[in-house]
Parts: sequence; structure tokens; C-alpha cells
Amino acid sequence: QVQLQESGPGLVKPSQTLSLTCTVSDGSVSSDDYYWTWIRQHPVTGLEWIGYIYSTGNSYYNPSLKSRVSISIDTSKNHFSLKLTSVTAADTAIYYCAIKKKNYNWFDPWGQGTLVTVSS
Amino acid sequence: QSVLTQPTSVSAAPGQKVTVSCSGSSSNIGNNYVSWYQQFPGTAPRILIYDNNQRPSGIPDRFSGSKSGTSATLRITGLQIGDEADYYCGTWDNSLSGYVFGSGTKVTVL
Repeated sequence: QVQLQESGPGLVKPSQTLSLTCTVSDGSVSSDDYYWTWIRQHPVTGLEWIGYIYSTGNSYYNPSLKSRVSISIDTSKNHFSLKLTSVTAADTAIYYCAIKKKNYNWFDPWGQGTLVTVSS
Repeated sequence: QSVLTQPTSVSAAPGQKVTVSCSGSSSNIGNNYVSWYQQFPGTAPRILIYDNNQRPSGIPDRFSGSKSGTSATLRITGLQIGDEADYYCGTWDNSLSGYVFGSGTKVTVL
């Protein structure tokens, strides 16, 4: 089964850009079978879908975050990335990468998650 | 405020049954498949039920899902201590053009 591992800074200053990477093992980001996904979990407000990207580069974002988010794929490194600009304390959350299979609407597997805190 | 409404918590004794409800609308549950996720403290969610009532391999048949109209239900029978976790429903929302999750339900084994 494909395995996912998030990495990136655990602390980001307000107004800066949050950048995370999800490294893919036992699978390829070039696969036509998957949408590469980011989801976050706030301590209070729960799970929130951020968006996903297909191997063609087509990306789909949560409308509430669309103006600040971008997801990209790097086939040479077999990973995909998340960038979230102009962060505030409300962006403090555990960030998970996950897989959505093409033509299905559920996520499996998930990475272990990484906590990102927005604070000066 | 989650688009999908779940009870904050449910509980039952070992061996008993619990049901977790997930209430939505025609823009989400009413016209899309529902999935359920199980999350233990400090770990990532994992898929429990997909396409309303399908279990991935390795998920015991004590867990079952159903959907009727704009609501979905997760049932856990023969409750075990190891089932204590948070449970989330999820589905696509056509109006929001995005995937939405429920607020989560904590299952406690008394």
C-alpha cells in the first residue's frame, strides 16, 4: 500500500507562508489512479478538506481557502506540496496528506500528520 | 459550524450497540456517497466505511453503515473497549464544491 509522510516547519509566523511536503512511498505521484490530498484538523473545529491535485496538475481547492492555497506535484522527488499564504493563528492545525482514489469520494491512506503552529 | 451534524458523544456498555448519526442536506448526503472515519487519540483518521455501507478489508463486520435521505448512520455492535475513538462522517457537497466532514462523535465504552 502507498505510504505518505508529511514534513515541514512546525512553527510559522503570522502573515508568512506555510509550506509542507508529503513524500510518497510504494507508489508514484504520476499515477492516474489517485488525487493527492491535503486535509487539516483544528483542535476545536475539526477536520477540514484543503484540496487535492491530480497527476495532470489539475487542482481543486476548498472555496474558503482558495485565494491562499496551492498544491503542486514534483515527479522528480515523488512528492506533493502545500502552500498556504498569509497565515493567521486560525491556520494552526494538524496537517495531513492523504489519497483519494479516482472516481471515489473517500480518503485512504493518510499520513501521520504534522502539527503546524502559527505564532510570532 | 460543520455542514454535517453529528452528536458530540455516545456511549454504551461492552457488548452493546451504538449508533452515530450524521445529518446533512440534499446538497451533500442526499446526493453523494458517505464515508466514515475512525480516529484514535494522537493518530490519523482511518477509513472505516465508504460508499455508504462498504467496509475496507480488515474492518470487522461489527461496523456497518447506512444512508437514508439526507442522513447517514454508523452502527457498532458488540462494542469493545478498543472501539473508544472519535468517528467522523464525510461526503462531497455539491453547493460548496468541496468535501465536508462531520463535527465528530466520541464513542465511549462504559
